[in-house]
Amino acid sequence: EPEVTQTPSHQVTQMGQEVILRCVPISNHLYFYWYRQILGQKVEFLVSFYNNEISEKSEIFDDQFSVERPDGSNFTLKIRSTKLEDSAMYFCAKRGQGQNTEAFFGQGTRLTVV
Amino acid sequence: SQQGEEDPQALSIQEGENATMNCSYKTSINNLQWYRQNSGRGLVHLILIRSNEREKHSGRLRVTLDTSKKSSSLLITASRAADTASYFCATDSPRGAQKLVFGQGTRLTINP
Repeated sequence: EPEVTQTPSHQVTQMGQEVILRCVPISNHLYFYWYRQILGQKVEFLVSFYNNEISEKSEIFDDQFSVERPDGSNFTLKIRSTKLEDSAMYFCAKRGQGQNTEAFFGQGTRLTVV
Repeated sequence: SQQGEEDPQALSIQEGENATMNCSYKTSINNLQWYRQNSGRGLVHLILIRSNEREKHSGRLRVTLDTSKKSSSLLITASRAADTASYFCATDSPRGAQKLVFGQGTRLTINP
């Protein structure tokens, strides 16, 4: 059973529409993250979430983006008014607390904005 | 901001040969981690080396860390076709939300 499950695996949306990407991080880790990878490029940090609030966010994570952990298990990334350049793989990840811990990544959601 | 930058960007070798990938970064770190990504899939953690360690082994993987040069290397010995993937280094900041900052990655191709 994967440590982190993401749904959907692939989403196609019209430009200007809102999308919600979902992540279910199994077990009791403390830090949750969203990363983005545009095709063929590096994995970019978007946001970290700790104790049910955003602890850090990157310049990419502007007002278009929001995160929630509404029920203590699901962890969502909402992208409002999607743009063509939002097309990318979006990865959810989790880590335990402590200075030297590995991250567990989901398989990603491929978002295609048309 | 700190960044891991790998080189080479792409590496193609014959099965059985050793593959070496390098990573450089800019600022202080708690640790440096290497991840593997098969095409279109998620990242899988391979190995973590702490800032006070110089070398670490895990199976066919050997990682070195030189904090004075702010660089690390990943060596895969006796490569196999199944090692074909992209390999990323990621640095872990000593402050902030324990985010990992990834490099551009090295695309490794093992030819049978």
